[in-house]
Amino acid sequence: DAGVIQSPRHEVTEMGQEVTLRCKPISGHDYLFWYRQTMMRGLELLIYFNNNVPIDDSGMPEDRFSAKMPNASFSTLKIQPSEPRDSAVYFCASRPGLGDTGELFFGEGSRLTVL
Amino acid sequence: RKEVEQDPGPFNVPEGATVAFNCTYSNSASQSFFWYRQDCRKEPKLLMSVYSSGNEDGRFTAQLNRASQYISLLIRDSKLSDSATYLCVVTPDKLIFGTGTRLQVFP
Repeated sequence: DAGVIQSPRHEVTEMGQEVTLRCKPISGHDYLFWYRQTMMRGLELLIYFNNNVPIDDSGMPEDRFSAKMPNASFSTLKIQPSEPRDSAVYFCASRPGLGDTGELFFGEGSRLTVL
Repeated sequence: RKEVEQDPGPFNVPEGATVAFNCTYSNSASQSFFWYRQDCRKEPKLLMSVYSSGNEDGRFTAQLNRASQYISLLIRDSKLSDSATYLCVVTPDKLIFGTGTRLQVFP
């Protein structure tokens, strides 16, 4: 089975540009998570969805960040406008749902550099 | 206080050594606990769950102390391939990751 698929793997952009990160979770998984990882702050949960519905977005840094999950097989994280402090690795992860082991399955990450 | 705290290390140990990491958490309602491993420039992957009675998986032993609100990971007979960052994860309702402890095993 395919794992969690993220794109792009790397993105370099200039301050002020819009950035869209994409994620395809593992088929059949009910939960999808977006994390951001930096050296200083580690892995931070930005938002998570259950059955395509956003459950907790308290980790989204500010209004420049938005996330959607239009269907069970696709999610996007958008930053508009981007700033240099948004530079990080953004991970998408999924897990099956109730009764599972709690294990999160991560994608390989999208490394974002904002100049 | 951070929800989950770990010593960032690095822990530099020779092959064959035993090394232990602790992780403290602040939410006493936390129910599930895990250790994840992250290799350099890779995604985190589950190493093992942590059960109330403690559990072992080969050279790895995980323990939970609810009274003092910490979990631990013990690695025996360290291998070069154990070099990685070890992240503890606590679940009150959502999975919260510690910042990780870096382990470097040298020959």
